[in-house]
Amino acid sequence: NAGVTQTPKFRVLKTGQSMTLLCAQDMNHEYMYWYRQDPGMGLRLIHYSVGEGTTAKGEVPDGYNVSRLKKQNFLLGLESAAPSQTSVYFCASSYSSGGREGEQFFGPGTRLTVL
Amino acid sequence: DAKTTQPPSMDCAEGRAANLPCNHSTISGNEYVYWYRQIHSQGPQYIIHGLKNNETNEMASLIITEDRKSSTLILPHATLRDTAVYYCIVRVAGGSYIPTFGRGTSLIVHP
Repeated sequence: NAGVTQTPKFRVLKTGQSMTLLCAQDMNHEYMYWYRQDPGMGLRLIHYSVGEGTTAKGEVPDGYNVSRLKKQNFLLGLESAAPSQTSVYFCASSYSSGGREGEQFFGPGTRLTVL
Repeated sequence: DAKTTQPPSMDCAEGRAANLPCNHSTISGNEYVYWYRQIHSQGPQYIIHGLKNNETNEMASLIITEDRKSSTLILPHATLRDTAVYYCIVRVAGGSYIPTFGRGTSLIVHP
């Protein structure tokens, strides 16, 4: 199993450009999440999904859109990138249950710089 | 989900036990305590979880107080590779889950 993979690993954008970050998981997890992490900060939840075709806002959703057309994929879009969106983006997935099934699996991260 | 409070930083000598505290005084009866760690620049990694009883695995031990309002993660013999940020979070068993990681505790293990 590849676990959780993220594409791309690095990206540099100019202000106003758009891009899509792709997250894929092969564990048949119902839940998927997008976080951002700024230097010295913890992870902040951007959007999440509890199943195919559903999405919901997290703590910091402004400036981002998401889609979950397939259970294994969760896309994060930036329509008009701003320097404040320079960050490391982590995707994660999990089952919906508690216990060990509630463990979140994280991807390696995407390092995005907006100039 | 209940919020957690952790000290921002701690340090520990290599080979000694590292005891990382977490306060979750508003935890509900059906909420688990999870611990993750994040080594520099990598995605967070699951360590251990518990509901009521103390738990142990190959990585660490988790001690939960009887009233469940606080817990301690114990790394019995810390190594330099355990230097990381440790996050304590609580979540319900099933149903809607919006995890909040906070800033965690930065543990530095020194020689």
